[in-house]
Amino acid sequence: GIQVEQSPPDLILQEGANSTLRCNFSDSVNNLQWFHQNPWGQLINLFYIPSGTKQNGRLSATTVATERYSLLYISSSQTTDSGVYFCAVSRLTFGEGTQLTVNP
Amino acid sequence: ETGVTQTPRHLVMGMTNKKSLKCEQHLGHNAMYWYKQSAKKPLELMFVYNFKEQTENNSVPSRFSPECPNSSHLFLHLHTLQPEDSALYLCASSLGQYNSPLHFGNGTRLTVT
Repeated sequence: GIQVEQSPPDLILQEGANSTLRCNFSDSVNNLQWFHQNPWGQLINLFYIPSGTKQNGRLSATTVATERYSLLYISSSQTTDSGVYFCAVSRLTFGEGTQLTVNP
Repeated sequence: ETGVTQTPRHLVMGMTNKKSLKCEQHLGHNAMYWYKQSAKKPLELMFVYNFKEQTENNSVPSRFSPECPNSSHLFLHLHTLQPEDSALYLCASSLGQYNSPLHFGNGTRLTVT
């Protein structure tokens, strides 16, 4: 099956900093999503982005399908951005996530 | 997101008990999913239903038994579970089975004693 690798595994930021999270996948995909899992376990859908670039407020994402990676950008981070960020490909395979901690 | 509702939020059960998890979606979606999230591990897909028909069973032990009476409801029946089955069980739905975004419920935190 498809392998999904996320980096970095852990990231600690000061409030206001910017960050980039990466998701590499081993085969071509037609379905890629980014999620934020909050401390209560809920998975929030951030982007459905099999290719191209999308933006939603302080967050944006880019998927380069031909090179098999996707990037999630968080600008001007806030403490409420803390949690685990997952990418998932083709519904079946989730990465291990990036644990983000934003300190005040 | 409140379009996918899971009950109960928390469940503690003994290894000889029988219990059921319920999932309901109000998004008009046709596909529904069960995922398992164990501590320190990625989400694992368990079952997929599309238009009430099971389309994927990801080698899940028979002590987990799914049921999908219609496109809006999904159940996971549990019996004779093991302590290692303790995990967060997440339900999701999507409009189509493949090229559509997943929408998750809040999950059921299961503890098997």
